[in-house]
Amino acid sequence: DTGVSQDPRHKITKRGQNVTFRCDPISEHNRLYWYRQTLGQGPEFLTYFQNEAQLEKSRLLSDRFSAERPKGSFSTLEIQRTEQGDSAMYLCASSIPQGRETQYFGPGTRLLVL
Amino acid sequence: AQTVTQSQPEMSVQEAETVTLSCTYDTSESDYYLFWYKQPPSRQMILVIRQEAYKQQNATENRFSVNFQKAAKSFSLKISDSQLGDAAMYFCARRDFGNEKLTFGTGTRLTIIP
Repeated sequence: DTGVSQDPRHKITKRGQNVTFRCDPISEHNRLYWYRQTLGQGPEFLTYFQNEAQLEKSRLLSDRFSAERPKGSFSTLEIQRTEQGDSAMYLCASSIPQGRETQYFGPGTRLLVL
Repeated sequence: AQTVTQSQPEMSVQEAETVTLSCTYDTSESDYYLFWYKQPPSRQMILVIRQEAYKQQNATENRFSVNFQKAAKSFSLKISDSQLGDAAMYFCARRDFGNEKLTFGTGTRLTIIP
């Protein structure tokens, strides 16, 4: 059983460029979450999906951010026209609705916007 | 704002000793879940222990236990027989029942002294 995986693990980009991150949840986990973690802070919720439906979006998710989960399996998070303030660790987590409902986290994608 | 507060940015403990990490939270809900997550350096976040607010009995997982004081909105983590592998950032988090969002504290960096 593999855990949550994220790709890439690191991304350096120039301000104004678009970036896309991928998250593969634990198989059979139908809930998928995106969080952002800046230096010295705890993760902050961005959005979550149940299957392919995006059910909640944080106010932190500006118009430049878009997340998809087209087939209810992997998810992508795209940031358009990146800004230096977007530099952070982007964490993905997954869970199942029954049982202990624990969110299992991936290793994260660290983004640096120059 | 319904927050989670970790007042100890850093803690250290001698190997084999016991250490307690503090966490307080604010919520208007009566049903919620509390978590402690561990984030080792450059590694992914993993769940240490979880507590359902409706349960009066404190959760334990091997060397890890919590002191849950619902009226005081306090949720501390006790690590017994500290080991070098316990060195990490520890995050306290809350999730209200029916809400998928985890709200994290700012974390406590735990150092284990050999």
